[in-house]
Amino acid sequence: ETGVTQTPRHLVMGMTNKKSLKCEQHLGHNAMYWYKQSAKKPLELMFVYSLEERVENNSVPSRFSPECPNSSHLFLHLHTLQPEDSALYLCASSQETGRTSDTEAFFGQGTRLTVV
Amino acid sequence: AQTVTQSQPEMSVQEAETVTLSCTYDTSESDYYLFWYKQPPSRQMILVIRQEAYKQQNATENRFSVNFQKAAKSFSLKISDSQLGDAAMYFCAYRSAGETSGSRLTFGEGTQLTVNP
Repeated sequence: ETGVTQTPRHLVMGMTNKKSLKCEQHLGHNAMYWYKQSAKKPLELMFVYSLEERVENNSVPSRFSPECPNSSHLFLHLHTLQPEDSALYLCASSQETGRTSDTEAFFGQGTRLTVV
Repeated sequence: AQTVTQSQPEMSVQEAETVTLSCTYDTSESDYYLFWYKQPPSRQMILVIRQEAYKQQNATENRFSVNFQKAAKSFSLKISDSQLGDAAMYFCAYRSAGETSGSRLTFGEGTQLTVNP
């Protein structure tokens, strides 16, 4: 049982398709994140949302478009992706309190994306 | 920028024995947090143990303990009495103490741990 749920678990899409990844957290947190996990590479932080506002975009190509309609939901809209975008996309959430010792990241199980 | 390095892509251990996973990091900051996360085949990242850099005492969580050497910028994870359920990818991660968010983490490349029965 996880407090952060991601759908779909697996996704195969063509380079001309448009799809969206969904993340939902049931923990009452106020911050959500997208990470990319590629084979044999460290996890890369893509986007950070705090209180539903995007506060960080780590040089991610515009073919990835995040959306955070409320503090419980986070989307990653995908369009015209490249094969090198194939990876595991992980969503995480945490509670920003202003005291770093109180914060812990909770992760979802990820969406395995394959671009063909 | 901070970097985290895990020099062991793969490790194996016999059930009930002890294994140590290595992690080194580079930072110019004096206050930060270090973490070990476990990612089993289910793919969900699970926090195993956390260490605050200002604490000299090494963190322990049941069978999991760390050897934190601040001067050497080393943060190894020791798993005692290894169990089959410990088999997973283990990630070392760093977070600046200046971050108010728990998820702005810098990760290492990971170590795949196999537990042999």
